[in-house]
Amino acid sequence: AQSVSQHNHHVILSEAASLELGCNYSYGGTVNLFWYVQYPGQHLQLLLKYFSGDPLVKGIKGFEAEFIKSKFSFNLRKPSVQWSDTAEYFCAVIGSMDTGRRALTFGSGTRLQVQP
Amino acid sequence: DTAVSQTPKYLVTQMGNDKSIKCEQNLGHDTMYWYKQDSKKFLKIMFSYNNKELIINETVPNRFSPKSPDKAHLNLHINSLELGDSAVYFCASSPSLTGPQHFGDGTRLSIL
Repeated sequence: AQSVSQHNHHVILSEAASLELGCNYSYGGTVNLFWYVQYPGQHLQLLLKYFSGDPLVKGIKGFEAEFIKSKFSFNLRKPSVQWSDTAEYFCAVIGSMDTGRRALTFGSGTRLQVQP
Repeated sequence: DTAVSQTPKYLVTQMGNDKSIKCEQNLGHDTMYWYKQDSKKFLKIMFSYNNKELIINETVPNRFSPKSPDKAHLNLHINSLELGDSAVYFCASSPSLTGPQHFGDGTRLSIL
């Protein structure tokens, strides 16, 4: 069974600080990886995704993530956070093979709080 | 235009009642989902439909029954509501079984 671990449950940063949120997954095959963001009281929005190719993917709002296959990791980064980045961040994985479990498995989420 | 819309946005009801949540997507996607987000923000897949066919049915009580009248709709009916059903329920759709998902705004269900 696939699983996703987000080790940082609650992160507090000051504006302009750099951000890195950890995501590790376990799955015995090729995966598609996602980061979603949920602003307070809103629905989940896709930040970025990795299917194949360049392991460094860029998403919206200045976010990027790096897929390191050997470490089963897909960490999210942003060089300089803003107060408006305060939100819950979810890493998610799905097996890209047809025989894989055909549903996203979400991590438990990381609450990011950016202080002005 | 809202891509994935669910109604109602809020649902407050008493234990034992039966309620439905509707979901519609206008993205032309083949796959639709229902997720439950608990008070700790943990998201869990409940059901997945692909071209109106049930693909995933997680360990959800059989009081929960999804219905997909067509590819653009996936409704969720809940019988005999219990306190533990209080959560935010999200509908989502995707162009394929492994593609990125688009989420609705959620339905906050509160059981009194």
